[in-house]
Amino acid sequence: GQSLEQPSEVTAVEGAIVQINCTYQTSGFYGLSWYQQHDGGAPTFLSYNGLDGLEETGRFSSFLSRSDSYGYLLLQELQMKDSASYFCAVRNYGQNFVFGPGTRLSVLP
Amino acid sequence: ETGVTQTPRHLVMGMTNKKSLKCEQHLGHNAMYWYKQSAKKPLELMFVYSLEERVENNSVPSRFSPECPNSSHLFLHLHTLQPEDSALYLCASSQDTTTGELFFGEGSRLTVL
Repeated sequence: GQSLEQPSEVTAVEGAIVQINCTYQTSGFYGLSWYQQHDGGAPTFLSYNGLDGLEETGRFSSFLSRSDSYGYLLLQELQMKDSASYFCAVRNYGQNFVFGPGTRLSVLP
Repeated sequence: ETGVTQTPRHLVMGMTNKKSLKCEQHLGHNAMYWYKQSAKKPLELMFVYSLEERVENNSVPSRFSPECPNSSHLFLHLHTLQPEDSALYLCASSQDTTTGELFFGEGSRLTVL
């Protein structure tokens, strides 16, 4: 079967750095993606890791370790607008795209 | 604006009604998806279409019937739904079924009475 695990909630203050971890179990793994979803909105793509290592996009970075079936999303210089739910998602060979349960990030002033 | 448009945005239906959700993508993508998002649950993949052919059907009840007439349009036909089917139904598209980037529509919020 396939499963992904993320923390359910994370709280941090403006300007801080926060890391959201994701562990997964799947077969035929292609890569790991991250999505952001604000309340009432659609999920929006943040990053994708097909290979091990760090990908950086502005204030957001994402990391993947295929051997550990583990990845994380790193958010730097947190802003109030970063308060949202964050989902990791696995793309696998079965043409499937499975999402994790989501992590609700609250950024406090 | 993600290039994926869903209509209607909100729908209320009785258990005996028949309705359809529509999704249109203007991105030239080859793959389209239906996801269900219920409160406090992860996004559940329902159907995947690649080049207008269904390639994934995740044990979805037959009261949900997808249709993909061309690579730009995707429908979800609804019939004899149950109150537990009330959820946000999200359509997404991607360049193909190997890419890690999905483009989502704003969703159709369905309430079944």
